[in-house]
Formats: sequence, structure tokens, C-alpha cells
Amino acid sequence: GQSLEQPSEVTAVEGAIVQINCTYQTSGFYGLSWYQQHDGGAPTFLSYNALDGLEETGRFSSFLSRSDSYGYLLLQELQMKDSASYFCAVEDNYGQNFVFGPGTRLSVLP
Amino acid sequence: DAGITQSPRHKVTETGTPVTLRCHQTENHRYMYWYRQDPGHGLRLIHYSYGVKDTDKGEVSDGYSVSRSKTEDFLLTLESATSSQTSVYFCAISDTGAGANVLTFGAGSRLTVL
Repeated sequence: GQSLEQPSEVTAVEGAIVQINCTYQTSGFYGLSWYQQHDGGAPTFLSYNALDGLEETGRFSSFLSRSDSYGYLLLQELQMKDSASYFCAVEDNYGQNFVFGPGTRLSVLP
Repeated sequence: DAGITQSPRHKVTETGTPVTLRCHQTENHRYMYWYRQDPGHGLRLIHYSYGVKDTDKGEVSDGYSVSRSKTEDFLLTLESATSSQTSVYFCAISDTGAGANVLTFGAGSRLTVL
């Protein structure tokens, strides 16, 4: 079957660094994406990894290890506005199916 | 921002009634998707389309049908709504930029089936 696992909740303080892990088991793999969703809003794209290694986009970085079926999202210099849910998603067949994890709710405390 | 709109944004209906949700895009993207989001389940794919009149089932397609008669419109129909279909429904389009297939979501349609 297709499954992705993420921690359900993470809490950190402003200015800190937090890592959200994602492990996946899917029938195919084209890439791992991360999406952010604020309460009541739509998911928005953050980052994408197709190859092993680290991708950096401002305060956010994403890592992928295809051999371990594992990735993580790293958020640095946390701000209150980063409080949201974060979803990893595997594109398991080009353009056809994006399988999402259950989401990690990040709470940033002052 | 990608032009993608969903309608209606909120709907309350009764069990057994038909419901149609509409997704409209102005980006001329080939791929369109319908997801549902429920607590603890993330986003689950219902159906997707890879062109006019070309659609396929996703993970949770039972009880749903879709149609795409024009590139810009992707309709999701619940022929006979049930309480288990109470959910938030998101339409998405995908775009390939810089080597990544990026999903852009509509604002969502909150459906309550009583």
C-alpha cells in the first residue's frame, strides 16, 4: 500500500530550529514535496526534492534520502506565523498521483 | 497567483441528495485533481484528470464521479450524498516548473451532509 508517516504535533519557541520528519512507502517515487497549511486555508507549496540531498529555500530546507525512504523539513529562525500544519507528499507517478502524509501541526510559542 | 476557484465554498445538504462541486482554472493546466481533507488523514485523492474527458480514480473514489468537458473546468459530483462525505474538498492543478510538479490548491469547499 501507500503510506507516509509524520509526527502529529511539534512545539517550538520563536527563533528556534525544528525538524519535521517524513517516512514513506509508496509504489513509485518521483519526488517528495512539502506543503504548509494554516488553519482554514489551503495548502501551499514549500519545497521539493527529487534527488538525495538538501534543498534550501530561505528559512526552510528540505532533505531527502531515497535509499532510506525518508525526508525532513527544517525550519529555522521560527516565527509565530510558522504555526501551521505541514504535509509531506510523494509524487508516486508522474503528474498522476500525489500521496500526502497525515500532517504535522507545528505550534510556535513566544 | 494561479487562477483557481472553487464553488460553492460552503454547502449544507441532506443525505441522499446530489451535490456538484466546481473547480475552474484560468491557467490552461493539463492536470487537475480533487482531494478531500479530514482530520488525521491529510489529503486523499478522489479523482484526477489529465486532459479533457480523460479522468482516473484516486484512493477514495467510491461514491464520487467527475467530469471534464473543458480544460478549465473539473466537476466533482456526489450522486447521493452520505454523512461520511462531510469533508473539506480541495481542487488542485499541477504545474511543472524548475523540474518540480507543484500542486496549487483552490480555497476549498466545505461540505456538510446532514
